Amino acid sequence: GAGVSQSPRYKVAKRGQDVALRCDPISGHVSLFWYQQALGQGPEFLTYFQNEAQLDKSGLPSDRFFAERPEGSVSTLKIQRTQQEDSAVYLCASSPRTSGYEQYFGPGTRLTVT
Amino acid sequence: RKEVEQDPGPFNVPEGATVAFNCTYSNSASQSFFWYRQDCRKEPKLLMSVYSSGNEDGRFTAQLNRASQYISLLIRDSKLSDSATYLCVVNKINFNKFYFGSGTKLNVKP
Repeated sequence: GAGVSQSPRYKVAKRGQDVALRCDPISGHVSLFWYQQALGQGPEFLTYFQNEAQLDKSGLPSDRFFAERPEGSVSTLKIQRTQQEDSAVYLCASSPRTSGYEQYFGPGTRLTVT
Repeated sequence: RKEVEQDPGPFNVPEGATVAFNCTYSNSASQSFFWYRQDCRKEPKLLMSVYSSGNEDGRFTAQLNRASQYISLLIRDSKLSDSATYLCVVNKINFNKFYFGSGTKLNVKP
């Protein structure tokens, strides 16, 4: 079946621009995560949704980062006034369960801020 | 201090070798443990969960030592296709936040 998809796969933004990254999780998956992965590092947790509820946003690095999942399926991560330090791969993952579970990752969006 | 620490490697081993990686975690309340594999410029993929009693999946064996707060991954009879970065993942008691290590890079050479 279809896996997690993300779009766009690559995004180049000028410093100060706003960007929106989309995640389509596996159909029926309740849990959805966003991660930021810098070069040579492991993924860093950003935020977690259980259906449409954002239960944990403690990993969002600043108030320029905002995520939503209004209908409990597709999610969007928005970054306002992008900065060079926002350059990274943004990974979305979903899971069919709500605890102690494996995650299925999308291919990521590689964001480059110039 | 990072939640999860791994030796970045690289571990360069010949085909057929046995190789082991360790990962330490800082929070004793951690509940779930996993090894993920990540190929260059690809997304992480679950390799195996790690259970308290230890578990094996083919050539791969994972073990958990709660007292010393580390998990390990043993790969036997290494294949060229095992070349990748191996990420250690720990999940805290609230089950919603996952901590990834920076990964250990493995190169299996012919």
